[in-house]
Amino acid sequence: SAVISQKPSRDICQRGTSLTIQCQVDSQVTMMFWYRQQPGQSLTLIATANQGSEATYESGFVIDKFPISRPNLTFSTLTVSNMSPEDSSIYLCSAKRGLDQPQHFGDGTRLSIL
Amino acid sequence: EDKVVQSPLSLVVHEGDTVTLNCSYEVTNFRSLLWYKQEKKAPTFLFMLTSSGIEKKSGRLSSILDKKELFSILNITATQTGDSAIYLCAVVVRSGANNLFFGTGTRLTVIP
Repeated sequence: SAVISQKPSRDICQRGTSLTIQCQVDSQVTMMFWYRQQPGQSLTLIATANQGSEATYESGFVIDKFPISRPNLTFSTLTVSNMSPEDSSIYLCSAKRGLDQPQHFGDGTRLSIL
Repeated sequence: EDKVVQSPLSLVVHEGDTVTLNCSYEVTNFRSLLWYKQEKKAPTFLFMLTSSGIEKKSGRLSSILDKKELFSILNITATQTGDSAIYLCAVVVRSGANNLFFGTGTRLTVIP
């Protein structure tokens, strides 16, 4: 399975600021995704990170709030913009090698907004 | 609306017990069902199930899918304290990106 590294692993941020989370995969994968896990809840897909083009966002998530980049097959970033306390969550990067392959997850970024 | 429901929501057992976790789903375009174990932050992949009636096994863990009744079970035998975690069931619901639709999870606590 692919090894997925995320950084930072955690951060405490001020309201109104932005933070960029990086995700690096150790081998080429076809698909990369970003999820959010709010306290006590399950995982919710934010978007699919598309290589070289705009990400595909799920209902309730917009590019202005969660801009995503994927410049190549092994790297993606998620920015959480203009943060508010409601954005306090764990943000998880995941990747899969092929259409019918299992998704694997990075260690996540625990984000707290004061 | 696509739905994945896990039961029970939480479970406390003693070491050595056998547990069965349940996952039922109602989705419009089922492709596969996956089980994950989440201890701290990252969900760890356990099983991927695509065909009915074929048991997948890894050590003390096993899982099976019933596509007619739309459910899956995850069995853990001879539980250990290291099995304490949240167990997540997820269904691949779209044929495009094949992203995962997660259930709410079952929190398992194994007491020594």
